[in-house]
Amino acid sequence: DQQVKQNSPSLSVQEGRISILNCDYTNSMFDYFLWYKKYPAEGPTFLISISSIKDKNEDGRFTVFLNKSAKHLSLHIVPSQPGDSAVYFCAARMNSGGYQKVTFGTGTKLQVIP
Amino acid sequence: GAGVSQSPRYKVAKRGQDVALRCDPISGHVSLFWYQQALGQGPEFLTYFQNEAQLDKSGLPSDRFFAERPEGSVSTLKIQRTQQEDSAVYLCASSLTGYSYEQYFGPGTRLTVT
Repeated sequence: DQQVKQNSPSLSVQEGRISILNCDYTNSMFDYFLWYKKYPAEGPTFLISISSIKDKNEDGRFTVFLNKSAKHLSLHIVPSQPGDSAVYFCAARMNSGGYQKVTFGTGTKLQVIP
Repeated sequence: GAGVSQSPRYKVAKRGQDVALRCDPISGHVSLFWYQQALGQGPEFLTYFQNEAQLDKSGLPSDRFFAERPEGSVSTLKIQRTQQEDSAVYLCASSLTGYSYEQYFGPGTRLTVT
């Protein structure tokens, strides 16, 4: 049962334009949502997070929006740069008996074309 | 400061062989996670340690998988009698506490079982 879903396996965007990556989840118990970025042959690195009680969090060119009623979040990158080309994982966190357990989506590969 | 390191980076094993994968977390990080990432998928949770205690091993796919962290720092994931379906990238992550939302990932060990 895939609790965190990224339905677009890939996305191509022109440099300077907006990139929008989408994510859906099914479990209402998630209390934090995170985005990780992964380059080839490297581990994922944390990018940005949002609490379930917020609807928007911004960090520089990156903004995450959360729509709890739709169980949907999105990551906006503006403006997109070639260095943003990577796989982006949506993840959701839930309290699991003394620690926070993280469930990852399947990832969206973003290509920013110069 | 040093990040999370994993060794070996690549491992080829014949079916039926035992393998041991090592993770060196960031110094002082209490929490340590192991994930399995199959091709085209997101990281899937295997097990969680808080210091030397293995608090959650619900994600280990079979009793052929065993993990330990005897002194609360370095961790080893052992897979006995490897099967072809064990082929994946094994990621280790550490965080300051079990409630930290940011996990720091190592580069992973790519295991190929032939």
